[in-house]
Amino acid sequence: GAGVSQTPSNKVTEKGKYVELRCDPISGHTALYWYRQSLGQGPEFLIYFQGTGAADDSGLPNDRFFAVRPEGSVSTLKIQRTERGDSAVYLCASSYSGVNTEAFFGQGTRLTVV
Amino acid sequence: AQSVTQLDSQVPVFEEAPVELRCNYSSSVSVYLFWYVQYPNQGLQLLLKYLSGSTLVKGINGFEAEFNKSQTSFHLRKPSVHISDTAEYFCAVSDPFRGGATNKLIFGTGTLLAVQP
Repeated sequence: GAGVSQTPSNKVTEKGKYVELRCDPISGHTALYWYRQSLGQGPEFLIYFQGTGAADDSGLPNDRFFAVRPEGSVSTLKIQRTERGDSAVYLCASSYSGVNTEAFFGQGTRLTVV
Repeated sequence: AQSVTQLDSQVPVFEEAPVELRCNYSSSVSVYLFWYVQYPNQGLQLLLKYLSGSTLVKGINGFEAEFNKSQTSFHLRKPSVHISDTAEYFCAVSDPFRGGATNKLIFGTGTLLAVQP
């Protein structure tokens, strides 16, 4: 596709359930980032992939959060035992590797935990 | 740790007036600086970025920003705003010189630019 695609656009789940959020990056982009944006806040870094490997997962808040990118393209962010505090917009971005590169963001998945 | 401060949560301005959105960052070491815009119901879009070189950076839609190392600031300006500039603006910093990726960004809390007719 032309841009970064995130599905679903909205997800409502019950507290304690498991959710998966999907990100389709721009074709050819080797770097992929996940961010979380809570209401009234700026996006907060979660994890960064270079190819298939997680190069930096320092932003994941706890071990309920996990992300994969098995073939170096599509990525899935997985949240176990969801809590109401996980409610936020989850953003994905992709870019080419290197210094002078621009990250392109998807429109995000709005997760609501009830 | 790096941090970004956007003191103004909302800036109201009349159409065709100039505007400045303020951004200060915490680090005294070399960083990359960015401004992103988020229009309603759309994803973040890069307005401009500073990596090195000239301290005055020009971006899309007539915006520009000036990097001031001594004041650790990267304020965004536009000489004449339009109604269509109404959006949330985010300042961000990255620290690739200490092993981070260029696009591992630390964002400020955002400034809502509200352009009134």
